[in-house]
Order: sequence, then structure tokens, then C-alpha cells
Amino acid sequence: AQSVTQLDSQVPVFEEAPVELRCNYSSSVSVYLFWYVQYPNQGLQLLLKYLSGSTLVKGINGFEAEFNKSQTSFHLRKPSVHISDTAEYFCAVIFYGGATNKLIFGTGTLLAVQP
Amino acid sequence: GAVVSQHPSWVICKSGTSVKIECRSLDFQATTMFWYRQFPKQSLMLMATSNEGSKATYEQGVEKDKFLINHASLTLSTLTVTSAHPEDSSFYICSARGGTYEQYFGPGTRLTVT
Repeated sequence: AQSVTQLDSQVPVFEEAPVELRCNYSSSVSVYLFWYVQYPNQGLQLLLKYLSGSTLVKGINGFEAEFNKSQTSFHLRKPSVHISDTAEYFCAVIFYGGATNKLIFGTGTLLAVQP
Repeated sequence: GAVVSQHPSWVICKSGTSVKIECRSLDFQATTMFWYRQFPKQSLMLMATSNEGSKATYEQGVEKDKFLINHASLTLSTLTVTSAHPEDSSFYICSARGGTYEQYFGPGTRLTVT
């Protein structure tokens, strides 16, 4: 079955520290990969995406992610976080070739940045 | 960038009434629109996928007669919750896709049924 796993439901981190949010998927087909951020009571904003090309993808707000096909992972990183980065982060995958190419979401990781 | 709007952002209705939520793609044509439901502190659950001019495709377990979806044009999709009950209270989010695989999300609509 095709699935997306975010093992960490919550990641506490101090301001200006680095952070990594993990995302793994299970599939043998080609994938398109996305990270979204959701602030309280708001919709989702695209942070970055991998469709093809370089496996290291840079996004907005200083975030980056690396696609690792052998490990079926797409971890999100930021070298120095700010209080304003506190939000829910969702990894999402399109398993290419499906009938509707639906976006499958992980369960989300709450990044809690502490002063 | 591509912008998707939703209206209303927040609605309260009485049990048994119906409520309509609009989703618009403001600066691009959306060939496909998606409706999601999100419970507090949970991920997004896809309810249905709609293509302009055709019937929506509902996910398993979603009642199509309760959640009516209309995708009348390339920039507008509506979700009508019919005969709403308190258990329908939730955060509803739409998204729109143009010619690529990228989806743009609306700001969401919080529905409270009393």
C-alpha cells in the first residue's frame, strides 16, 4: 500500500537551533514530493517540492529537503529556526501514475520553537 | 503565485440546515479541485475530487448525498453540507490544481453546527 509516514508528531527545538523533520513513504513507483506548512486556523502553504532533477530542493523561509530514493525519504531541514517557524508541517506525496494522482498526506509534525 | 480563496472563512449553522462553501482559483484555471476535511490536530482527509463539468469522485466512506460538490467552472467549486449535524463540524479546506502536479490550498472554512 502507498503511504506517507511522519514518525515525529511533535518536535520541540530551541530558537536558532537546527531542525530536521522526517518523512518516509512506501512505494515502488515514481513519486512527486511536497512539504506544506500550516499555521493555526489557516490553510496550507507550499514550502517546497521535488518533481525531478536535483535531489536537494530549496524552499521558502530557509527550508530545504533532500530526496533519497534508496531510503524512500524526503526529510525537511532548516539550519536555524525562529519562533515564527512554530507551525504544523505536512509531508505529502503523489504516487505517479494513479488514476487521479491524489496527494497523500502524512499525519503532520508540530514544530514547537522555544525561546 | 497561484491563489485560492474560500468563502466563508467561518460559519455557524443550526442542525438540520444546509451550508454552502465556495472555493475559487483567483488567477489560474483549475482543471481539478479537491475538498479536504481536517479534525483538530489531525491531518487532512481527502473527501472528493472534482473535475470541471463532471461529477465528483468521492473517497470511500464519504456520503455523496450529504456532501454535494459542484465544479461548475474552471475557477469555482462549491461544497454543500446538507442537513448538517454537530458531527459535521470541522475545518474544510479546498485545493486547486492547474496543469501541473502542484496543488494550491485555500485558507479553509471552519464549520460549527449547533
